Amino acid sequence: LAKTTQPISMDSYEGQEVNITCSHNNIATNDYITWYQQFPSQGPRFIIQGYKTKVTNEVASLFIPADRKSSTLSLPRVSLSDTAVYYCLVVNTGTASKLTFGTGTRLQVTL
Amino acid sequence: KAGVTQTPRYLIKTRGQQVTLSCSPISGHRSVSWYQQTPGQGLQFLFEYFSETQRNKGNFPGRFSGRQFSNSRSEMNVSTLELGDSALYLCASSSQGHTGELFFGEGSRLTVL
Repeated sequence: LAKTTQPISMDSYEGQEVNITCSHNNIATNDYITWYQQFPSQGPRFIIQGYKTKVTNEVASLFIPADRKSSTLSLPRVSLSDTAVYYCLVVNTGTASKLTFGTGTRLQVTL
Repeated sequence: KAGVTQTPRYLIKTRGQQVTLSCSPISGHRSVSWYQQTPGQGLQFLFEYFSETQRNKGNFPGRFSGRQFSNSRSEMNVSTLELGDSALYLCASSSQGHTGELFFGEGSRLTVL
């Protein structure tokens, strides 16, 4: 069962790049890494998913080193609306019983 | 395209009662999963249903149960409510099961007094 660890909180100024790292030391071969964003009183929203190396979409990039024991979500040029909790999720393709959400990182963006 | 709809949004119950929560997935999605979110434990997986069958289950007691109907709508039930069951219950639907992108509803906030 892959346990994940993230920083509890991070602060950033608007316009900066933010990197949030998730540790998942005992990730299994068929585990994927997924990141979600959650605003207060809303359900989480999918950001990005990857297995190895680098994945990029229109809102973020996900960096996964060769050993896959950690991953980094990169948010370019954050704005105030990016203030939210970000969750790292290790998804096992074998069984959802191994779904593991991280503790979540509360990102606060200010002017 | 309508999103995931959860009802009711808020409810208050007393210890010992039972509660049923409903989730209507995005049209065409056959996988529905449920999660409990509390300040202390974070987001925890309850169970997943796919085509009316429970496919996976998290580590919750038997008081927590669910089902899925032929139209993919799902319900979860919690019996003999305890104070610790107070939480935000989130439902998510997916076209690919738990490994794909999950689309979450806004949740049902349960308060147990």
